[in-house]
Amino acid sequence: DTGVSQNPRHKITKRGQNVTFRCDPISEHNRLYWYRQTLGQGPEFLTYFQNEAQLEKSRLLSDRFSAERPKGSFSTLEIQRTEQGDSAMYLCASSLSEVAKNIQYFGAGTRLSVL
Amino acid sequence: AQKVTQAQTEISVVEKEDVTLDCVYETRDTTYYLFWYKQPPSGELVFLIRRNSFDEQNEISGRYSWNFQKSTSSFNFTITASQVVDSAVYFCAGGTYKYIFGTGTRLKVLA
Repeated sequence: DTGVSQNPRHKITKRGQNVTFRCDPISEHNRLYWYRQTLGQGPEFLTYFQNEAQLEKSRLLSDRFSAERPKGSFSTLEIQRTEQGDSAMYLCASSLSEVAKNIQYFGAGTRLSVL
Repeated sequence: AQKVTQAQTEISVVEKEDVTLDCVYETRDTTYYLFWYKQPPSGELVFLIRRNSFDEQNEISGRYSWNFQKSTSSFNFTITASQVVDSAVYFCAGGTYKYIFGTGTRLKVLA
């Protein structure tokens, strides 16, 4: 078990470009979460999946953001037409859905810088 | 709506001192979970402890101990005999399936 893996670790892009991040959860975990963390703040919930179904999206997730988990394994988070305000650390976490075991384990994150 | 308050922005201690990090979690939910995570300079959030809302016993695990009091919504975390490697930002979080995080407390342990 290698933990939650996120790629790339860093991404620098110009305003208006599209970017895509990937998250590979812990293999037996059926839940996958995306959070965003800005400097000096705690992570903020964006969305989560149970298997391939996206069950909730935060209102922080504008129409420019889309997340998928097509086969219930890895997930991608795409940001279209990036803005400078999108600069942040994007964190992925995974867990089991069983309540007694629903501890979320986080990846190292993808740091996005929009110039 | 839930709210997590970590009033301490930054704490500095000398190695081997004990340090307590404060957290207040406010919610209307009757069943929830509380967590402490550590975020070292490398950036990865590391899970430390979890507590159920219906269990108010104090617990100890190694150098970590935690105290949950439902009446005051406080969930405090203590590191005994702090070490330089404990230097990090510590986040309190609460929720059921999605977590609400506080703004974090930066702990500096000086040699």
